Amino acid sequence: SQQGEEDPQALSIQEGENATMNCSYKTSINNLQWYRQNSGRGLVHLILIRSNEREKHSGRLRVTLDTSKKSSSLLITASRAADTASYFCATDGTGFQKLVFGTGTRLLVSP
Amino acid sequence: EAGVAQSPRYKIIEKRQSVAFWCNPISGHATLYWYQQILGQGPKLLIQFQNNGVVDDSQLPKDRFSAERLKGVDSTLKIQPAKLEDSAVYLCASSSFGRDRQGYTFGSGTRLTVV
Repeated sequence: SQQGEEDPQALSIQEGENATMNCSYKTSINNLQWYRQNSGRGLVHLILIRSNEREKHSGRLRVTLDTSKKSSSLLITASRAADTASYFCATDGTGFQKLVFGTGTRLLVSP
Repeated sequence: EAGVAQSPRYKIIEKRQSVAFWCNPISGHATLYWYQQILGQGPKLLIQFQNNGVVDDSQLPKDRFSAERLKGVDSTLKIQPAKLEDSAVYLCASSSFGRDRQGYTFGSGTRLTVV
């Protein structure tokens, strides 16, 4: 079963614009992670935010976490055509270490 | 550091045939995972090993799927007999087990097509 629901399911923007993706989850977490997946390829880890953190930055990425609302958002600033991919949130619960993925957001960045 | 190795990269089989996938995790990673990713969906955990013991196989269709991790290193996932709905990418991942709870690394996956 999927832990998280992501919103929107698909997002189409122009280069230079910002892209925001949201993730909601159901159970308590130890941390939440975001991954990127290019078509037909493996998953690439982008960023991890712990349950006691509220915001984290990595280059053009900004992740927020609201544990009271069981939600997270991923912001990609100044997007590029190379950012075109599917983005997944994944939660690492408080039990035994494992990742449960959301449904994903397909991002298309047009030149 | 070498990544998680998977083979084959692609496989096409007919329904009712059997197939096996292989995974070699990152050296020293005690935990190994197999995920199934159907087109357009997020990865779904099939089975999780801690060393060579199964931690979670609640979503593994045990009537047709089996997995083993001998000696706590390499792992194989088998499907016998395959169904059309098994067409998916099968991802292997490994992680270091510890307080830090980081270090998940995914392989490139095996794309299975059942015809």
